[in-house]
Amino acid sequence: EVQLVQSRAEVKKPGESLKISCKGSGYSFTSYWIGWVRQMPGKGLEWMAIIYPGDSNIRYNPSFQDRVTISVDKSISTAYLQWSSLKASDTAMYYCARHVGYYYLDVWGRGTTVTVSS
Amino acid sequence: SYGLIQPPSVSVSPGQTASITCSGDKLGDKYAYWYQQRPGQSPVLVIYQNTNRPSGIPERFSGSNSGNTATLTITGTQAMDEADYYCQAWDTSIVIFGGGTKLTVL
Repeated sequence: EVQLVQSRAEVKKPGESLKISCKGSGYSFTSYWIGWVRQMPGKGLEWMAIIYPGDSNIRYNPSFQDRVTISVDKSISTAYLQWSSLKASDTAMYYCARHVGYYYLDVWGRGTTVTVSS
Repeated sequence: SYGLIQPPSVSVSPGQTASITCSGDKLGDKYAYWYQQRPGQSPVLVIYQNTNRPSGIPERFSGSNSGNTATLTITGTQAMDEADYYCQAWDTSIVIFGGGTKLTVL
């Protein structure tokens, strides 16, 4: 069974750094793009970035490129999303998702809630 | 930048047909995808490449895409279909989502 297991919920203060993770299993991790989608409270889905674990090729949504960094450790089949300085506006649910090509998302994780509050 | 427009809400009676539209410039020249998100759950792909259903998705879900509009149709809508539905396309190297449509079954 294809699974994406995401790290636990996080509560952080503004200005702090954060790295959340997504571990893939049940498929060839290096053969599929994997990425992140933001959903702010009560709002819709926003595509952030994807990475190809096979060669670490990366594509960002320009709206997020200056705020987050996507990375991968293919030795442990895990993708990451990180912030160097969180803002309250980063409060959201973050989903990781396997991509088919880089065209659509066929398997989703359960999400990681990030809360940023002073 | 490319945009996809969906109606905020659609209502349907149980057993009837629900149609959810997604509009974008020359959307028919691209592939459209649809996701279902039930309350408190992760999104699930229900239609890919305009008309195809992934394994496990009921036959009552179908899709079409022509001109500027893609449509998700649910035939014989059930209470369990009440959810938010998002269309999606791909344009200039990024994935684009529509704003989402809340389907109410009443």
